[in-house]
Amino acid sequence: KNEVEQSPQNLTAQEGEFITINCSYSVGISALHWLQQHPGGGIVSLFMLSSGKKKHGRLIATINIQEKHSSLHITASHPRDSAVYICAVRSYSDKLIFGTGTRLQVFP
Amino acid sequence: KAGVTQTPRYLIKTRGQQVTLSCSPISGHRSVSWYQQTPGQGLQFLFEYFSETQRNKGNFPGRFSGRQFSNSRSEMNVSTLELGDSALYLCASSPGQGRTEQYFGPGTRLTVT
Repeated sequence: KNEVEQSPQNLTAQEGEFITINCSYSVGISALHWLQQHPGGGIVSLFMLSSGKKKHGRLIATINIQEKHSSLHITASHPRDSAVYICAVRSYSDKLIFGTGTRLQVFP
Repeated sequence: KAGVTQTPRYLIKTRGQQVTLSCSPISGHRSVSWYQQTPGQGLQFLFEYFSETQRNKGNFPGRFSGRQFSNSRSEMNVSTLELGDSALYLCASSPGQGRTEQYFGPGTRLTVT
């Protein structure tokens, strides 16, 4: 079993829909990252959080440390949100452990 | 500020050869991490350097090595290349000293034939 699990693996949405991507982990962590990867490989860090909730534009990330679970929400989705979203946790040994990613496609 | 730069962007090598990839971090960032991304294994941590010292290492064979220079630029080297080393190699920089948000470079796509 992977130490970081994401669901769903693939997600298709219509423009304007509310989207949720989930991440569960089984190790102790000091922080959790949400990353976005567009075709071609470039990765952008969206959020780094260790508790509570963060919001940036239409993106919201939450984390529940007790349940070892985090969610990434996209409100009013747009085709430009189409990308792979990756959850990564920073373990107590200070290594980043990555989930396998969620491929999101938003159609107009 | 300029972002993280990686050179070269694409590379084709033959089995048995060695390769050196370069990463220039954001100005002022002292930590550089390297990652390998393959379709089968996804993203995996290779190693992290801070102030010219390797601070952390992932589970990769000794053929994978790296170093960091006094200007924080980093190189990684893979010796005796295998077909399975074909991957996208990404580096990321962070300020260090407790600030761990990662800023990723565009990656170097290595193909081993």
